[in-house]
Amino acid sequence: AQSVTQLGSHVSVSEGALVLLRCNYSSSVPPYLFWYVQYPNQGLQLLLKYTSAATLVKGINGFEAEFKKSETSFHLTKPSAHMSDAAEYFCAVTETGANNLFFGTGTRLTVIP
Amino acid sequence: KAGVTQTPRYLIKTRGQQVTLSCSPISGHRSVSWYQQTPGQGLQFLFEYFSETQRNKGNFPGRFSGRQFSNSRSEMNVSTLELGDSALYLCASSLLGQAEKLFFGSGTQLSVL
Repeated sequence: AQSVTQLGSHVSVSEGALVLLRCNYSSSVPPYLFWYVQYPNQGLQLLLKYTSAATLVKGINGFEAEFKKSETSFHLTKPSAHMSDAAEYFCAVTETGANNLFFGTGTRLTVIP
Repeated sequence: KAGVTQTPRYLIKTRGQQVTLSCSPISGHRSVSWYQQTPGQGLQFLFEYFSETQRNKGNFPGRFSGRQFSNSRSEMNVSTLELGDSALYLCASSLLGQAEKLFFGSGTQLSVL
């Protein structure tokens, strides 16, 4: 069965500090992995995706994530947090590449000025 | 190019009623997926339609149904509403049903009183 676990429902960082949001996955086959961001009263916007190509994936707004098979992890990072990064972030997995994504419970990121 | 459009944006219903939500995908997209987002359960996959056929279905009761029209527009229906159906319902579309090219709408916020 496929699933993702996001450690930490709330993360606070200072503006300019490193952002690290954790995601561990469970999958019986090589997975497709995604990070989405959701701003208040909006839908989901794709930040980046891993689809079995390069293990270090760069996304929009300076975010990147590294697929580590040995650790079953796909953590999201950004070197320097900006106030506009405050939002909720979701990690998701699918084994088939089809649209039935399994989402984590989300991590709310707060950026402190 | 217009994005995924969901109507209405907000909806208030009472227990026992039924409701229909609408989703217009990005022009040319043939796949439409529906997700339910609640504070308690997070984001859960409802179903996916591709070329007017249901291709995947999540673990929801039969009160939740959907359909897709020949122009790829989709509707989902919830009958005999329960308080627990209060949620943000998100629609997503993709060209050929690939998860890595999924675009989400802003959602319909359903409140059941």
